[in-house]
This record gives sequence, C-alpha cells and structure tokens, in this order.
Amino acid sequence: GENVEQHPSTLSVQEGDSAVIKCTYSDSASNYFPWYKQELGKGPQLIIDIRSNVGEKKDQRIAVTLNKTAKHFSLHITETQPEDSAVYFCAAATYQAGTALIFGKGTTLSVSS
Amino acid sequence: EPEVTQTPSHQVTQMGQEVILRCVPISNHLYFYWYRQILGQKVEFLVSFYNNEISEKSEIFDDQFSVERPDGSNFTLKIRSTKLEDSAMYFCASSADGGGTEAFFGQGTRLTVV
Repeated sequence: GENVEQHPSTLSVQEGDSAVIKCTYSDSASNYFPWYKQELGKGPQLIIDIRSNVGEKKDQRIAVTLNKTAKHFSLHITETQPEDSAVYFCAAATYQAGTALIFGKGTTLSVSS
Repeated sequence: EPEVTQTPSHQVTQMGQEVILRCVPISNHLYFYWYRQILGQKVEFLVSFYNNEISEKSEIFDDQFSVERPDGSNFTLKIRSTKLEDSAMYFCASSADGGGTEAFFGQGTRLTVV
C-alpha cells in the first residue's frame, strides 16, 4: 500500500522567512496530493492540493510542487506569519471512489515574531 | 460555510464498553470517512462509506468497529468493546466525490478509554 514520508518533523522560522516541507510517496498510482493544516484541538483543514497532471500550484503565500518521477511533493510558505504556526500534514490518494487519504507524520511549524 | 460536525467532543469510557461516535457530514456530500489520530501521531484512515456500504477499510478497522448511516444526516462509528489502545482523536470527514476531491474534516471526538 501507499506510504508517505514527511520531513522535517519540526521547523522553526522567523516571521517573514520561507518554510518548506517535503513529502515522498511510494505508490506511483497516487495522483492526488493535499496538504492539511491542523491547529491545536481542531480537525485538519485543507490548505492546498495538487493533482498529478500539474507540477505546481500557488495560492497567495502557499505553493505546492510535485515531481512525479521522483515521487515527491513539497509545500512552500512564503512571508511566514505567527498564525502560520500549526502542524502541517501532507497526504496522498488515488483517484477512485471512497479512496483513503494516506497521511505523512506531520511537521510542526513554529513562526516566531 | 458548511461544515462537518461531530458529537461528543470528548468521551470517556470504561474498557470493554461500547461507544458510538456521531457525525453529521456536509449535506450534499456522498462519501464519508472515519480517521483516527493517536496523540502526537499521524492521522490514520479507518474506513470510507458510500451508498450505504463500506468502500474501503484499513487493517485498523477490525470486527470491533462498525459504521452506519442510520438516517439521512448522521454517520456513526461504533466500537463494540473498547480497549485502552482505542484512545485517540477520531475524525469524521466527508467529500462530494471520491478520491481526488476535497475532504472536509470535523473537529474530532477525543475518546479516552480508562
């Protein structure tokens, strides 16, 4: 089955710096890669996703890149702000009915002002 | 904005007791999921449900677990005889379509088995 590895497990940056979180996946059939942000005591919230037919997607300060050949994808946050502090999870899934999201172990991002 | 709601937010139960976790998915969604997250660990898939039957389940989802959509709005997860290791945060999620579309998560139910 699919296995998703995520690095780093913790990341500390200064406000205004960029943050990059990387994930690799094992199943070449996976073609959907969402990123979730989880704040303390809350459920995961989707912040951006990418499908395998594109290599990059951007939404304001957040971008995701995908390298299908190498089976890795990354989350890029620019101009970080203290409110970006949270746990970020990457996930992978195969486009079929009711398919599971397989999550990475998460990255705790701390943005200090 | 539509959201997935879960009740209760926190449940404490004795080992061996049955628990039912409840979820109200987003009204026009067709696919429903349960995930769990043991404290400090990653979110793990339990089961997906579509058209009143299980679509996919993980190894975690053994005979102690069952899911049901008892009416047009609720989606439940039952654990028949809870074990200490069932203590976790349980998230319900729903999506309008199958894989490849956005899954919305509820705020979770923290289950503590004592």
